[in-house]
Amino acid sequence: AQSVTQLDSQVPVFEEAPVELRCNYSSSVSVYLFWYVQYPNQGLQLLLKYLSGSTLVKGINGFEAEFNKSQTSFHLRKPSVHISDTAEYFCAVSDPGGYQKVTFGTGTKLQVIP
Amino acid sequence: KAGVTQTPRYLIKTRGQQVTLSCSPISGHRSVSWYQQTPGQGLQFLFEYFSETQRNKGNFPGRFSGRQFSNSRSEMNVSTLELGDSALYLCASRPDRSTDTQYFGPGTRLTVL
Repeated sequence: AQSVTQLDSQVPVFEEAPVELRCNYSSSVSVYLFWYVQYPNQGLQLLLKYLSGSTLVKGINGFEAEFNKSQTSFHLRKPSVHISDTAEYFCAVSDPGGYQKVTFGTGTKLQVIP
Repeated sequence: KAGVTQTPRYLIKTRGQQVTLSCSPISGHRSVSWYQQTPGQGLQFLFEYFSETQRNKGNFPGRFSGRQFSNSRSEMNVSTLELGDSALYLCASRPDRSTDTQYFGPGTRLTVL
């Protein structure tokens, strides 16, 4: 069975500083990996996804993530955060093909401090 | 295109009651999935419907059920509500089951008193 671990439940960071949100997954097969963002009182929005190919994936709003198969990680990074990045971020994994359910991590709340 | 819509946005019920939540997917999307989001458990998969048939099911008791109509709209029902059912219920749609990206609605906030 797949699982996703987001070790940090909250990450405070000053505005314009870099940030990394950590995600590790457990799966015995190839996987699809996703990062979603949830702003207050809203649903989830896809930031980026890794399906195959290049291990460095670029997404919206200046975010990127790197797939590391040996470390089973898919950490999310941004070189300079803005106040508007304050939100909760979810890492998710699914089997390739999309026919299986998606498993989400417990989320990391990013708080950007002015 | 309009996004995924969920109604109602907020609900307050008491223990023992039942509730029905509605989800209208993006036009042309035929797969609808439901998730329960709570502070302690995060997002947990409830079920997925495609072509009016349940295709996947999460680990929830039988009190949680759903259905999908021919126009792809979906409803989920929770019977005999418990305090622990208080959560944000999210609906997500995608064009078909082979599409990797889901599009989420804003959710229905259910409070059970």
